[in-house]
Amino acid sequence: EVQLVESGGGLVQPGSPLKLSCAASGFTFSSNWLNWIRQAPGKGLEWVASINPDGSSTYYPDTVKGRFVVSKDNAKNTGYLQMNNLRSEDTAMYYCARGGYYSPSDYWGQGVMVTVSS
Amino acid sequence: DTVLTQSPALAVSPGERVTISCRASESVSTGMHWYQQKPGQQPKLLIYGASNLESGVPARFSGSGSGTDFTLTIDPVEADDTATYFCQQSWNDPTFGAGTKLELK
Repeated sequence: EVQLVESGGGLVQPGSPLKLSCAASGFTFSSNWLNWIRQAPGKGLEWVASINPDGSSTYYPDTVKGRFVVSKDNAKNTGYLQMNNLRSEDTAMYYCARGGYYSPSDYWGQGVMVTVSS
Repeated sequence: DTVLTQSPALAVSPGERVTISCRASESVSTGMHWYQQKPGQQPKLLIYGASNLESGVPARFSGSGSGTDFTLTIDPVEADDTATYFCQQSWNDPTFGAGTKLELK
């Protein structure tokens, strides 16, 4: 059974860093892309990062480019999202999902909440 | 960015047929996917590549379209289909529609 479990969320002050983790199981993690997608409370979905199977290529929208860094450790079957210089508008539920930049996300984690507030 | 426009809400009766539309601001070929999200849950992939049914998804769900105009059809609608439906394009930087909230009468 494919499973993705996010962790590392919480309440942080503006300007602070935070690192999310995504533990994967039930599939060959090293052969799959990984996406991070967020959803602000009561709002729609926003793509925030994609990484290719071996971690050599990453993609970001302009809203997070230069602040967020996506990575994956294929030996640990875990993906990461390092978020720096957090802003109030980054407050959202963050989901990791199996899928790629040019493909749909077919399995999603349950999400982890990040709240940026002073 | 490619903007995806969806109608905000629909209300239908169980047993009816419902179509949910998604219009892209530029052509995305068949790089369009549909998700269902119920309150408090993560999104679930229903349709990929505009018209391909994801494994395990009931055949009541179908997708069509190419270029800029896409449709998700549910026929017949069941009570459990109450949810918000999002379209997403992957032709370029991934973007999502704002979602269509489906309510049952």
